[in-house]
Amino acid sequence: NAGVTQTPKFRVLKTGQSMTLLCAQDMNHEYMYWYRQDPGMGLRLIHYSVGEGTTAKGEVPDGYNVSRLKKQNFLLGLESAAPSQTSVYFCASQRGYEQYFGPGTRLTVT
Amino acid sequence: AQSVAQPEDQVNVAEGNPLTVKCTYSVSGNPYLFWYVQYPNRGLQFLLKYITGDNLVKGSYGFEAEFNKSQTSFHLKKPSALVSDSALYFCAVETGKLIFGQGTTLQVKP
Repeated sequence: NAGVTQTPKFRVLKTGQSMTLLCAQDMNHEYMYWYRQDPGMGLRLIHYSVGEGTTAKGEVPDGYNVSRLKKQNFLLGLESAAPSQTSVYFCASQRGYEQYFGPGTRLTVT
Repeated sequence: AQSVAQPEDQVNVAEGNPLTVKCTYSVSGNPYLFWYVQYPNRGLQFLLKYITGDNLVKGSYGFEAEFNKSQTSFHLKKPSALVSDSALYFCAVETGKLIFGQGTTLQVKP
């Protein structure tokens, strides 16, 4: 099992550009999450999904959109990137009370 | 508001000594509490959880945590630290979604 994988690992964007981060899990988990990690702030929830075709807003959803067309994939989109979105992005899936995290995507917006 | 706090940005300990990483929480009702660890350039990994029952819970890599309801704390402990335990540790509380503390860097020196 690959677990939770994220694509890409690194990306540099210019302000105003768009991109999509892909998260995939092969554990057949229903729940999936997108977080951002910033120094001194822990992880903050952006959006989450409780199953295929569902999405919901988390703590910091502004500037992001998500889709869960297939159970195994959870996509995070930035329509018009801003420097404030420079961060490390983590995807996670959940079984029971335990979350399984991907390795992260380091995004820099200049 | 439901929250979790880690009062120390960094904890330094010598190898072989006991370690404690502190966590306090503020939630209504019975808390579900977690510890996760993050090694450099990796995603978070689950260490242990408290849902109910015995106040002392054991987890991965020899770590344990003590739930104290009267002090609203869930401190992470290990009797004998290893250099390889050096990492970033996050406490979290489940409130329908996970809320993370800001993280504590553990530095174990030889």
